[in-house]
Amino acid sequence: AQSVAQPEDQVNVAEGNPLTVKCTYSVSGNPYLFWYVQYPNRGLQFLLKYITGDNLVKGSYGFEAEFNKSQTSFHLKKPSALVSDSALYFCAVRGLYGNNRLAFGKGNQVVVIP
Amino acid sequence: DAGVTQSPTHLIKTRGQQVTLRCSPKSGHDTVSWYQQALGQGPQFIFQYYEEEERQRGNFPDRFSGHQFPNYSSELNVNALLLGDSALYLCASSAGQGNEQYFGPGTRLTVT
Repeated sequence: AQSVAQPEDQVNVAEGNPLTVKCTYSVSGNPYLFWYVQYPNRGLQFLLKYITGDNLVKGSYGFEAEFNKSQTSFHLKKPSALVSDSALYFCAVRGLYGNNRLAFGKGNQVVVIP
Repeated sequence: DAGVTQSPTHLIKTRGQQVTLRCSPKSGHDTVSWYQQALGQGPQFIFQYYEEEERQRGNFPDRFSGHQFPNYSSELNVNALLLGDSALYLCASSAGQGNEQYFGPGTRLTVT
């Protein structure tokens, strides 16, 4: 079965500092990995995905993520955090072809301090 | 281009009742997935519909059922509601079963 672990409940970062949100995954075969962001009382917004190819994936709003197969990680990063980046971030994994369900982590609350 | 839309936004039901939630996918999308997000948790996969058939199902009881219409819109039905069914129900659509899913704003269901 596929699963995702997001080890930190909350990440606090000062505005302008680099932001990292951690994610590790477990899946049979090659993973399809995703990051979503959720603002209060809103649905999930797609940020970026890794399917294959370059290990550094660039996404929306200046976010990027690095796929590391040996460490089974897919950490989300942003070089300079904004107050508006404060939200709930979810990592998700999809496994083998034909298994299209997304397995989500429990989420990380990011708080960017002005 | 409208994104994924869901109705209603909020719903309050009593234990034992039945509820129907609705979802219209993003234009051009033919696959609809439903997720349940309990408070403080990540979304949990309920099931996925493609070509009007349930293609995959998560670990949810038969009280949860669905339907997909020829125009690709979908309904989620929950029978015999329990207090534990209180959650945000998210609909996601994709162009094909394997592509990234785009989520709607969700329906907040409260069971009292």
